[in-house]
Amino acid sequence: SQKIEQNSEALNIQEGKTATLTCNYTNYSPAYLQWYRQDPGRGPVFLLLIRENEKEKRKERLKVTFDTTLKQSLFHITASQPADSATYLCALVNYGGSQGNLIFGKGTKLSVKP
Amino acid sequence: EAEVAQSPRYKITEKSQAVAFWCDPISGHATLYWYRQILGQGPELLVQFQDESVVDDSQLPKDRFSAERLKGVDSTLKIQPAELGDSAMYLCASSLHVQGGYEQFFGPGTRLTVL
Repeated sequence: SQKIEQNSEALNIQEGKTATLTCNYTNYSPAYLQWYRQDPGRGPVFLLLIRENEKEKRKERLKVTFDTTLKQSLFHITASQPADSATYLCALVNYGGSQGNLIFGKGTKLSVKP
Repeated sequence: EAEVAQSPRYKITEKSQAVAFWCDPISGHATLYWYRQILGQGPELLVQFQDESVVDDSQLPKDRFSAERLKGVDSTLKIQPAELGDSAMYLCASSLHVQGGYEQFFGPGTRLTVL
């Protein structure tokens, strides 16, 4: 069956450390993978997109990697801050999927403690 | 900065009643999506429009849900009759292009509670 799994429901880290979130997929062939941030009671906000032929993408303190052999994407936040506390969703666009629709994981809730 | 608008933000209804949600996408965005998000889960696509046409409604429970985007701009999602299991956040999103290489912009959502 097709699955998108994010490594844990919750991740707690200390301020200043690097947070690493994992997204694994099974039986998909993603053309793209996107990461979104969602705060409680709000809609998701786009952070980064990485394509299948890209290994790594960076934006300020954020870094995403994409390994199609391992069928995995890693999302890193360096020098984490309490304001980074939120739920982070990975989403993929499947080759052959209907019109490029996003398929979301359940999300990982990140808590950064001061 | 342009945003996706949704209303109402919160809706409480009794089962078997009809409810309707409204979405106004970012101006110029041809593609509009309706998602349902159950607490603790990721958003799940209900329906996708390209302009005024439905391009994917495979996950829409058509016996009770309907969606329209008559002039290819704003959109309405309706549930009739509502059931207890419909309690969720209903999110609208839009994007500039239909293919997945473009980010989706989400509205604030409508939180539906069915009693």
